[in-house]
Amino acid sequence: IAGITQAPTSQILAAGRRMTLRCTQDMRHNAMYWYRQDLGLGLRLIHYSNTAGTTGKGEVPDGYSVSRANTDDFPLTLASAVPSQTSVYFCASSPGQGFGANVLTFGAGSRLTVL
Amino acid sequence: GQNIDQPTEMTATEGAIVQINCTYQTSGFNGLFWYQQHAGEAPTFLSYNVLDGLEEKGRFSSFLSRSKGYSYLLLKELQMKDSASYLCAVVDSNYQLIWGAGTKLIIKP
Repeated sequence: IAGITQAPTSQILAAGRRMTLRCTQDMRHNAMYWYRQDLGLGLRLIHYSNTAGTTGKGEVPDGYSVSRANTDDFPLTLASAVPSQTSVYFCASSPGQGFGANVLTFGAGSRLTVL
Repeated sequence: GQNIDQPTEMTATEGAIVQINCTYQTSGFNGLFWYQQHAGEAPTFLSYNVLDGLEEKGRFSSFLSRSKGYSYLLLKELQMKDSASYLCAVVDSNYQLIWGAGTKLIIKP
C-alpha cells in the first residue's frame, strides 16, 4: 500500500445499527481526519487526531466517535446509525509538521447508506 | 461565521483557458489550498498559496490576494480529463481547514 486504505468501500445499513469505518495509512503521518461529503456542501470535519493517543471534535461530531491507538489506524464508529448519516466518508492524513504540514492525502472514501 | 464561496458549476471548451474563483471570509488566514476531485474519487492536492501572488505548476496556476480575500485557479490548454470538481479550502487561525462546496468543471469537445 502507498497511502490510505478505507473499508468498506460502500455499505447499506439499517437505522439503529452500529457501524465502524476503518482507515489505515502507511505514510507515518502524525495527523488524521474524518470528513463527510454531501451534495452541495463542502467537506465537513467530523473528528481529527493530531497524533497517536489524542483526538478532537470537528464541525459535525455528534453521533460519531473515533480512537487513535497507534499512528496508522483511525477508525470511525457510528454507535446507532440514523438516515441523516447517509453520506460519503473520507479519511485523510497529513504530516502535521514541517514542509507540507497541512497537505492532506485522502482515502478513496466509504459510501454509507442508512435506511 | 466562516464562509468560502465558489461558483457551483462552470463549462469550458477543450483547449481553452478557464479561471475558477474563490472568495473567503474566515477567522484568520494561514494559507489556501486547491484540490481536484474527479467524480466518485478522492480529492487530490493541486496547489497551496500562503503569500500574495501567482504560483504556477504546469498547466495549472493559483493566485492569492489576502487583502481581498480572493483566490483563483487558472487552468490552461484544457483537456477532457480536467473535467472534475475543484475545491477551495482555507486554513483558519486555529489551523483548521474550511472547505468550499466545490466548482464542477465540465469540459466540452
